[in-house]
Amino acid sequence: AQSVTQLGSHVSVSEGALVLLRCNYSSSVPPYLFWYVQYPNQGLQLLLKYTTGATLVKGINGFEAEFKKSETSFHLTKPSAHMSDAAEYFCAVIPAGGTSYGKLTFGQGTILTVHP
Amino acid sequence: GAGVSQSPSNKVTEKGKDVELRCDPISGHTALYWYRQSLGQGLEFLIYFQGNSAPDKSGLPSDRFSAERTGGSVSTLTIQRTQQEDSAVYLCASARQGESPGNTIYFGEGSWLTVV
Repeated sequence: AQSVTQLGSHVSVSEGALVLLRCNYSSSVPPYLFWYVQYPNQGLQLLLKYTTGATLVKGINGFEAEFKKSETSFHLTKPSAHMSDAAEYFCAVIPAGGTSYGKLTFGQGTILTVHP
Repeated sequence: GAGVSQSPSNKVTEKGKDVELRCDPISGHTALYWYRQSLGQGLEFLIYFQGNSAPDKSGLPSDRFSAERTGGSVSTLTIQRTQQEDSAVYLCASARQGESPGNTIYFGEGSWLTVV
């Protein structure tokens, strides 16, 4: 079965520092890959996704992620953290091929704290 | 509407009571999903609708859980004889089509259920 691992349930950075949130998937066939953000008491918002094409994907709010097949990874980065980036971030996958109905499988989430 | 709308936003119910949670997807979206978010289990898929039919209900945790969708639009998730372990945030999401991962899945803000 498809699984998603997010390394680090909590990440803390200073404002202006690099943000790196790690995500690895387990499947022999690379899935479709997503990052979602959840602000307190809100639903999930799509940050970016990789389906096909360029492996470096740019999303909203200055975030980007790179699909690395050899490492089965899809890490999320942002060059300079802002206080407003504090939230919980979820990596998710949809299996490629077969009948998945677009069903997302989520990682456990990473809470990002940004210090002044 | 502009986004996925869920009601109630908060619900406190006594153990053993039945509850209904409503989801109004984005107009024109044929795919509708229910997920559950809880502290111990993270984000779990419950059920997928394509139109009014549910080809994937593999995530429903027990026969106390059921869902329907009418008119290809509004969906209701019903939990009978609620238990304390049902306490969670129930998230609804919709997409233009379920079979294409290229379609963005949009989430509502969730219904917070507390069983006391």
